[in-house]
Formats: sequence, C-alpha cells, structure tokens
Amino acid sequence: DTGVSQNPRHKITKRGQNVTFRCDPISEHNRLYWYRQTLGQGPEFLTYFQNEAQLEKSRLLSDRFSAERPKGSFSTLEIQRTEQGDSAMYLCASSPGHEQYFGPGTRLTVT
Amino acid sequence: RKEVEQDPGPFNVPEGATVAFNCTYSNSASQSFFWYRQDCRKEPKLLMSVYSSGNEDGRFTAQLNRASQYISLLIRDSKLSDSATYLCVVNIQAGTALIFGKGTTLSVSS
Repeated sequence: DTGVSQNPRHKITKRGQNVTFRCDPISEHNRLYWYRQTLGQGPEFLTYFQNEAQLEKSRLLSDRFSAERPKGSFSTLEIQRTEQGDSAMYLCASSPGHEQYFGPGTRLTVT
Repeated sequence: RKEVEQDPGPFNVPEGATVAFNCTYSNSASQSFFWYRQDCRKEPKLLMSVYSSGNEDGRFTAQLNRASQYISLLIRDSKLSDSATYLCVVNIQAGTALIFGKGTTLSVSS
C-alpha cells in the first residue's frame, strides 16, 4: 500500500499524559499536513510542512502541541498534558503540491 | 460567518435519484476548490477538484460560480454506495491549508 499511513490507529490515554502520533506520507510528496476532526465537524487545519520546514501553524495548535518532520519524510505530532478536549481524530495528509491525500487517522480518546 | 457553509442534511433519497449539494465560501480570494467524500469513521477521500468551467466525472458533476462564491455537486442515478458525507473544501492558496465545510450527509436507500 503506497498511501499515507498513520500510527497508532487508536490511542486511549489518561488526562495529563503525553501522546505521540506518527504519519508516513506518500513517497516523494514534499508537503505534509496535520488536521483534527471532531464528531459532526469537518477537519480543521493544525499545521503543515514543506520538506522539513514547518511553514504554518493554526491558532488551534496550542503550546501543548508540537509537530516535527526531521528529515522531510515522516512526521510526528506530540500532545503534552492531554486534556479531554483533545479527544478527536487526528488526520495526516500529504500532497505533491495541489491535491491532498489523507491517511486513515489516529483516533485519540482522553479519559 | 463561517468560511465554508454547507447544508448538513441529511439527504435521504431512493436509488436512482438525482441529488444536488450546495456550498458557499466567504473568502473571495480562494483559489482551489474540491469535493471530498467521507465514510463513517474513515478518512476524507478526494472525490473531485472543481473548476470554473465545471467538470464531470461519470455520475458526478461539479460547478463553481466565483461571482456568487458558490460550489455545487450533482450526483445522478444515486447508488447505495454513494451513502456518505460530502465535504466541500476550499483552498486560499494552492499548497496551503484546506478549509472544510461541516459536510452534507447523504443516505441512499433501496
């Protein structure tokens, strides 16, 4: 399968714990995006990278959130001191420039 | 005013029906437009890009009216497998963040 992959697919954590998600984009896609989706809403943009450079961050990305793409390939999204409001589907997408292709997402539940 | 607005539905139609979804966007500088399809608890999948001249892909036709800041999707001869949420998506600048509507839910019944 040469699509976008994300791990883990599901994560249940207790409030206050740190979590990290990984995204592997489609090979040779230089742009990588993170979105968050809650029930009944469309995905909301968090941040994106062109190669290893983080070019834009949404106001949704509080200081508890950090994203990296160290070698311009895979990316990680870390949430520190999780809160119940962080419960959502975290989606990664990659793009060669125009259209974006999404991975299956990581569903986070904070208890 | 939300950046991308859609009628949430649900639209309940019988097989074979024609159904149309509408969407409006607020930023007149928007450059790119898409329709994505999302099945329950799955990721959004690109259905089609939308061009000013209008475009068609089989049973699906998309239209863009830049003057009215309006996008539409027409599905002809609906199939059971078309049941999903259809997301209207706008891009202010190519390559940057996608802005999604909340989605319109379609349920096709036999």
